[in-house]
Formats: sequence, C-alpha cells, structure tokens
Amino acid sequence: VQLVQSGAEVRRPGSSVKVSCKASGGTLSTQFITWVRQAPGQGLEWMGGIIPASGTRDYAQNFRGRLTITADESTRTAYMELRSLTSDDTAVYYCAGSGSFYKGGYWGQGTLVTVSS
Amino acid sequence: EIVLTQSPGTLALSPGERVTLSCRASQNIGGDYLAWYQQKAGQAPRLLIYGASSRATGIPGRFSGSGSGTDFTLTISRLEPEDFAVYYCQQYGGSTGTFGQGTKLEI
Repeated sequence: VQLVQSGAEVRRPGSSVKVSCKASGGTLSTQFITWVRQAPGQGLEWMGGIIPASGTRDYAQNFRGRLTITADESTRTAYMELRSLTSDDTAVYYCAGSGSFYKGGYWGQGTLVTVSS
Repeated sequence: EIVLTQSPGTLALSPGERVTLSCRASQNIGGDYLAWYQQKAGQAPRLLIYGASSRATGIPGRFSGSGSGTDFTLTISRLEPEDFAVYYCQQYGGSTGTFGQGTKLEI
C-alpha cells in the first residue's frame, strides 16, 4: 500500500487546515492510520490515529479538542483536520499506515503546513 | 502517558563501527510494542524494527533490536555510510503512540 498526501498549505493563525492521505494499491479499511507531525528541526510527534474498519479514533492529549481524524473508505482516503492554528503548528504532517497498531509501517510523503500572518 | 527517553542525543562514529542506541520508557511497555525508525533529511521515517526485535521487511541484518519492559536498544553491527541519520523509538501499545526525542548518528 502507498499513501499519497495532499499538497503544501499556508494558513493564517486562528484558521484550520485539512490534509488528505489517499491509499493506493490496497484497502484502507483494514489498516491502522496514524498522523505524525514534525516541526522544523524537531523530532516526531504522534498526533492520533484511526482504524477505519471499526471507526475507532484516538488522539494524543495535546491535540484533543482541536484535532479530528476521519476516513472515507469509498475513496480510500484519510483526513486530518487541525483547528485554531498557531505558528507552533507549522510543521510537516505525515500519515502512516500499518496492518496492526499505530506504528508506521509505510508512510506518506509528508505535507508542509505553514501558519503565518 | 508513556515518556520515551533516548540516549545519547548525538553520536559521532565512523563507518564500520558498531553502535548501540538506547530508549528508556517511563513505565512498562506491555507486549513490547516498541518500534525503531530511521529518518534521513527531507525524507519520511522508515520502519526498522517493531515488536522490540522484529526486523521490518527489507531491513538489512546489521540492524537488530532488543529489550523489554522499560529498556530497549537498537544495535547496528557495522555502520555503513547510508546509516548516518536520525533514529527514533516509538511505543505503540494501547490507544496511543509516543516517540522518543531521537538520536542523531553523524560521521
């Protein structure tokens, strides 16, 4: 399975962003899809994940309340929407998939989100 | 939330050397749900090890993982030039996953 993410985004502080992650070469429903971000020059930060087959969604405590992860099995696409953006949300956002658990067996190419006024 | 601490932060080595990286968890990781990743500049991470000691598909045999509970290690038996990168551990048990802060291997 390969994951292809949507392109780079620029947003104003206070706005929201929605990044897509489309699976090709396989089905999304049997996978665990994870979202991870990486601020410039920083490490990896686990944001949350979804198990499309069961509809289960899990979020890191840091993002609860302003992060929503969804999946559309008909289009084999997962989405990550982050609201109330600040400059601290400037980062590369990755989706990753695995046949079991929220680990990154295979990864999308990353989407740069820049938050700037 | 489980906190993972990796050490050292940076390591300067030469090709051909053996290296062991450490990842310590703030509490027991049940099921040894611990993974290791390699990340090179400008690239997405690559899964090396999962389940603490199982190599992912296509990963060379010079990479090995060990440990259980709260202490885990990644060993590269003989460094190749392409191994100089940043390495992260991640725990993925339960309904969340957290990463260590990373160890940078430099020549």
